[in-house]
Amino acid sequence: AQSVAQPEDQVNVAEGNPLTVKCTYSVSGNPYLFWYVQYPNRGLQFLLKYITGDNLVKGSYGFEAEFNKSQTSFHLKKPSALVSDSALYFCAVSLPGTASKLTFGTGTRLQVTL
Amino acid sequence: KAGVTQTPRYLIKTRGQQVTLSCSPISGHRSVSWYQQTPGQGLQFLFEYFSETQRNKGNFPGRFSGRQFSNSRSEMNVSTLELGDSALYLCASSLVGRDRAEKLFFGSGTQLSVL
Repeated sequence: AQSVAQPEDQVNVAEGNPLTVKCTYSVSGNPYLFWYVQYPNRGLQFLLKYITGDNLVKGSYGFEAEFNKSQTSFHLKKPSALVSDSALYFCAVSLPGTASKLTFGTGTRLQVTL
Repeated sequence: KAGVTQTPRYLIKTRGQQVTLSCSPISGHRSVSWYQQTPGQGLQFLFEYFSETQRNKGNFPGRFSGRQFSNSRSEMNVSTLELGDSALYLCASSLVGRDRAEKLFFGSGTQLSVL
């Protein structure tokens, strides 16, 4: 069985500061890893994904994530946070052959303040 | 290009009733997946349809069912509603959705309240 852990319910950061949203996973085999963002009363929007190759993945809106196989982590990062980045962020994992069957973490609310 | 469209946006039902939710994927997308989102359980995978066939299924009781039509539009049905079925139901589409780890495009969801 696959699982995803997002240890922080909420992350607070000041605008202009770097941000990190943590994610660890447990899966048998080589995973596909994703980050999605959800704004209020909206569906999820894709940010980025890792399939294979370079451990640093760049995505939408200046976000990036680093895949660390030894630590089974896939932390989301951004060098300079914006107030408009405030939202709910979900880490997810799937496996080859069932790529649409995502297992999501519980989500981390990012609050960026002026 | 139109996004994923889910109807209705809100639904209120009573226990024991049944409900049907509709999802129109992005044009050209053949894979449609359904997810349930609740504050307690988070986001959980219900099932995925591709070319009118259920390709993957999550761990939900048989009261939850779905289907996909030849134009890729999908419906999900919940029979004998329970209070715990109150949730935001999200539909997502992708081109193929199997081995290519494509990104999913989500609709805004149907908020179901069971009274």
